Amino acid sequence: QKEVEQDPGPLSVPEGAIVSLNCTYSNSAFQYFMWYRQYSRKGPELLMYTYSSGNKEDGRFTAQVDKSSKYISLFIRDSQPSDSATYLCAMRHDMRFGAGTRLTVKP
Amino acid sequence: DGGITQSPKYLFRKEGQNVTLSCEQNLNHDAMYWYRQDPGQGLRLIYYSQIVNDFQKGDIAEGYSVSREKKESFPLTVTSAQKNPTAFYLCASSFSGQVTDTQYFGPGTRLTVL
Repeated sequence: QKEVEQDPGPLSVPEGAIVSLNCTYSNSAFQYFMWYRQYSRKGPELLMYTYSSGNKEDGRFTAQVDKSSKYISLFIRDSQPSDSATYLCAMRHDMRFGAGTRLTVKP
Repeated sequence: DGGITQSPKYLFRKEGQNVTLSCEQNLNHDAMYWYRQDPGQGLRLIYYSQIVNDFQKGDIAEGYSVSREKKESFPLTVTSAQKNPTAFYLCASSFSGQVTDTQYFGPGTRLTVL
């Protein structure tokens, strides 16, 4: 079993939709959770960083952590074509990444 | 502008050749990292360094070597011993090596072995 599981997609949604991206993990030592966005042929850029269980909001993005279920989510509201990218979850203790979910937002 | 630069963007190598990928940062970060990214897989850690003149193996260090002679620079050499070197290589840095630190990534180098 991988330490971090993430559905690779691809996921395609119409512009304006709410997007839900998810990861599960097995190692309860993970305490810090991140979401990165990666455009094609580029390096990942940090979107959200959270520590505690609960929700953290930043503009159209909301990161949710449920440590009891070992489950994290990223919600994107009012999705835009510019949100089309691969989204990677990551978590530390030692750094572990999900495989990434490829998202396409169609105009 | 502060940031991480990687060069070259694209690199082609013949089998049996060693090749060195460059990573430079001007963020004054102590810690630097090298990852490999393959399609359908998460980033996998090759090597990391928390301080100058010191580095540790990551999960997939075999066939790779690094040096950390300067704080700003962390070059990665892909040796001929690496059996499947074609991949996208990402360099990252963080303020220190603490688990609370955020890692920031460079733009990557795509290596293709011909």
